[in-house]
Amino acid sequence: QVQLVQSGAEVQKPGASVKVSCKASGYTFTSYDINWVRQATGQGLEWMGWMNPNRGDTGYGQKFQGRVTLTRDTSKSTAFLELSGLRSEDTAVYFCARVANYDDNFYFDYWGQGTLVTVSS
Amino acid sequence: DIQLTQSPSFVSASVGDRVTITCRASQGISSYLAWYQQKPGQAPKLLIYAASTLQSGVPSRFSGSGSGTDFTLTISSLQPEDFATYYCQQLKTYPLTFGGGTKVEIK
Repeated sequence: QVQLVQSGAEVQKPGASVKVSCKASGYTFTSYDINWVRQATGQGLEWMGWMNPNRGDTGYGQKFQGRVTLTRDTSKSTAFLELSGLRSEDTAVYFCARVANYDDNFYFDYWGQGTLVTVSS
Repeated sequence: DIQLTQSPSFVSASVGDRVTITCRASQGISSYLAWYQQKPGQAPKLLIYAASTLQSGVPSRFSGSGSGTDFTLTISSLQPEDFATYYCQQLKTYPLTFGGGTKVEIK
């Protein structure tokens, strides 16, 4: 069965960087884009960016441009999100999600369990 | 960016009630809309894609409709496990955006 398993919770200081992993299983990793979404406590969902694991192409939300990097290790079927220059407002749960495509309609069909990143001095 | 406005933001309903949630896009998105359900401490779960296609395994009491700028998610007969927050998402254009969410609570 398809699974996306993310790395554990992180506590980082302001100005530091964090790298969250998302390990895929149950399907061919390079066949589906991975997107990242975050959610601050009690808030809504915020899209951050996408990555094509086959080509390594990426795209980022303007809000995160210059601070976020999406990468992958195809040998380990794992996607990574790295966020730099952390500030308190980056405290949130970060989700990875697989993007499915049916008849040119895209949707997030499987999600990781989420990784809590806390930014605190 | 395409803005998605969900209404209402909060619904108080009873088991067996019919619940309708609307999502309005700031510009036309054809049928590139998905609906998700999220329970506390969990990841979102896909309910509907392409505005009206029910994801495999999702109960038939959930349905979606709409095209262009106006969309609805309907729960025909609310069940105890349906109390959650619901989000719409547009997948027409980057940046992908979500609605603000609708929390469905027990009356």
